[in-house]
Amino acid sequence: AQSVSQHNHHVILSEAASLELGCNYSYGGTVNLFWYVQYPGQHLQLLLKYFSGDPLVKGIKGFEAEFIKSKFSFNLRKPSVQWSDTAEYFCAVRSTGRRALTFGSGTRLQVQP
Amino acid sequence: GAVVSQHPSWVICKSGTSVKIECRSLDFQATTMFWYRQFPKQSLMLMATSNEGSKATYEQGVEKDKFLINHASLTLSTLTVTSAHPEDSSFYICSARVLAIETQYFGPGTRLLVL
Repeated sequence: AQSVSQHNHHVILSEAASLELGCNYSYGGTVNLFWYVQYPGQHLQLLLKYFSGDPLVKGIKGFEAEFIKSKFSFNLRKPSVQWSDTAEYFCAVRSTGRRALTFGSGTRLQVQP
Repeated sequence: GAVVSQHPSWVICKSGTSVKIECRSLDFQATTMFWYRQFPKQSLMLMATSNEGSKATYEQGVEKDKFLINHASLTLSTLTVTSAHPEDSSFYICSARVLAIETQYFGPGTRLLVL
């Protein structure tokens, strides 16, 4: 069975700091990878996704993620965070042949002004 | 973009009653919708996959007789929590899959509180 690990449960940063959130998955086959964000009181929104091709994926709001197959990782990055990036971030994986997503436990990001 | 709505956004009910939650894809058709449950400060746990025109596929440990799912049309799936108990209190989230881009879009969620 596939699983997703997000090791950072709660991250606190100051505005303009750089961000990297870790995501590792366990599945030996081909996967599709996603990062979703949940702002306070709002629904999950897709930040970016990786299916194939260039392992460096750019998403909305200045976020990017890099797929490193050898490390089974799909870390999320942003060079300079803003207070408005305060939210919960979820990594999700879908293996081929399965329609549903498996989510990580989430990382709560708190950006201090 | 793809928009998914849920109704109601929150509901409070007495123990023993049944609650129906609707999930609609507003601007696209979805042959597959998903129902998740999210506990406070935890991740989303998949409950079931809702398939238009056929029975839902439930994840292990999810009681299909308690959580009834009906995918009546290409834009509507409903989750009915039957004989709700306080332990069913949770945040229920649906998503709909856009087949062409193999991506799920999520509804805003329904907060259920069973007294």
